Amino acid sequence: EPEVTQTPSHQVTQMGQEVILRCVPISNHLYFYWYRQILGQKVEFLVSFYNNEISEKSEIFDDQFSVERPDGSNFTLKIRSTKLEDSAMYFCASIGDSYNEQFFGPGTRLTVL
Amino acid sequence: KQEVTQIPAALSVPEGENLVLNCSFTDSAIYNLQWFRQDPGKGLTSLLLIQSSQREQTSGRLNASLDKSSGRSTLYIAASQPGDSATYLCAGWATGKLIFGQGTTLQVKP
Repeated sequence: EPEVTQTPSHQVTQMGQEVILRCVPISNHLYFYWYRQILGQKVEFLVSFYNNEISEKSEIFDDQFSVERPDGSNFTLKIRSTKLEDSAMYFCASIGDSYNEQFFGPGTRLTVL
Repeated sequence: KQEVTQIPAALSVPEGENLVLNCSFTDSAIYNLQWFRQDPGKGLTSLLLIQSSQREQTSGRLNASLDKSSGRSTLYIAASQPGDSATYLCAGWATGKLIFGQGTTLQVKP
């Protein structure tokens, strides 16, 4: 069964460093998303991406964040200068058609020291 | 502001009980409702998706209903098992994204 994959599973970085979180969505899907979950809190929407551009972004997704689909399979989230409060689980998700079931990856746990 | 609320926050039941998890949402613009399971420190596993035109969906021992007029969804788990212990999240699809509730953490005791 097709699935969304994410790498790495755990990333530890120093405050101020750049990190890139990687996702491989399900191959025939068209819409891609990043969400995050700070420990003990709700899952929060960060950004959606369709047709090689951002469709929507939340207030959390400021200038420190960027997304890219560098080739036909990968979808990346970059944080330019990490802060302590960026520590969270980051989930990638994809769907084939609008309003259909979102499939989530296993997440990347980001720890900023 | 679009919000999704789940009650109770935590639930502990003996094995074999039937149980209901509740989810309410404030915005009638919520189009679909998706239920997820999350094990500690793990990702989100999709359980059921109820589309706007549907009132319920079933998968095995799980049944989810959606009442858009009252802004409510329920997840019914029949004959609970210890392996059902996890956090259950509901999420409403609205304006291009999922909005999540805070989850109900379920413990099923043998």
